[in-house]
Amino acid sequence: SAVISQKPSRDICQRGTSLTIQCQVDSQVTMMFWYRQQPGQSLTLIATANQGSEATYESGFVIDKFPISRPNLTFSTLTVSNMSPEDSSIYLCSVEVAQSVYTFGSGTRLTVV
Amino acid sequence: AQSVTQPDIHITVSEGASLELRCNYSYGATPYLFWYVQSPGQGLQLLLKYFSGDTLVQGIKGFEAEFKRSQSSFNLRKPSVHWSDAAEYFCAVGGYSTLTFGKGTMLLVSP
Repeated sequence: SAVISQKPSRDICQRGTSLTIQCQVDSQVTMMFWYRQQPGQSLTLIATANQGSEATYESGFVIDKFPISRPNLTFSTLTVSNMSPEDSSIYLCSVEVAQSVYTFGSGTRLTVV
Repeated sequence: AQSVTQPDIHITVSEGASLELRCNYSYGATPYLFWYVQSPGQGLQLLLKYFSGDTLVQGIKGFEAEFKRSQSSFNLRKPSVHWSDAAEYFCAVGGYSTLTFGKGTMLLVSP
């Protein structure tokens, strides 16, 4: 099973700034997924990132706000741009380790002030 | 569209008592069903999954879940709760490369 290292684990940011979250996987994976977990809410898929192609965004999420990079098969970043307090959430990356079985990073707890 | 309902936001159980966390789903085909646990400051850990076959699924840490198609349910159970089980539990339904999560149930364990 893959092990995901996600950082930073938490951050407090000023509104209007951007934060880049990194996920490193200890094995090569085709797809990586980025989720948002707002306070008191379930996990919501932001986008799916394949190496060598543009990320696919879910309804309600746009590339300008959440640009994603996927430079190789073990690494991805998610940037939360021009942050507002509404972006305060936990952000998690995930990979598929077997058919329809997923492993998650430990999450990034973001607070925007 | 697929959806998951976890009707209990919080549940408090005495240590040593039995536990049942409820999950109802909506899915157009035969679902893949999952239970994950999230401890404070940790990522999600897979407890168990159901794809097909025996409707009673055994997982890690002594948990089990039963798939009941007629009730569209996939409830999680444990016969004797330990203090270390205090965490948030998420039920999820999925197919190929998609997972839809419930809002989670926070389990509190009292001495």
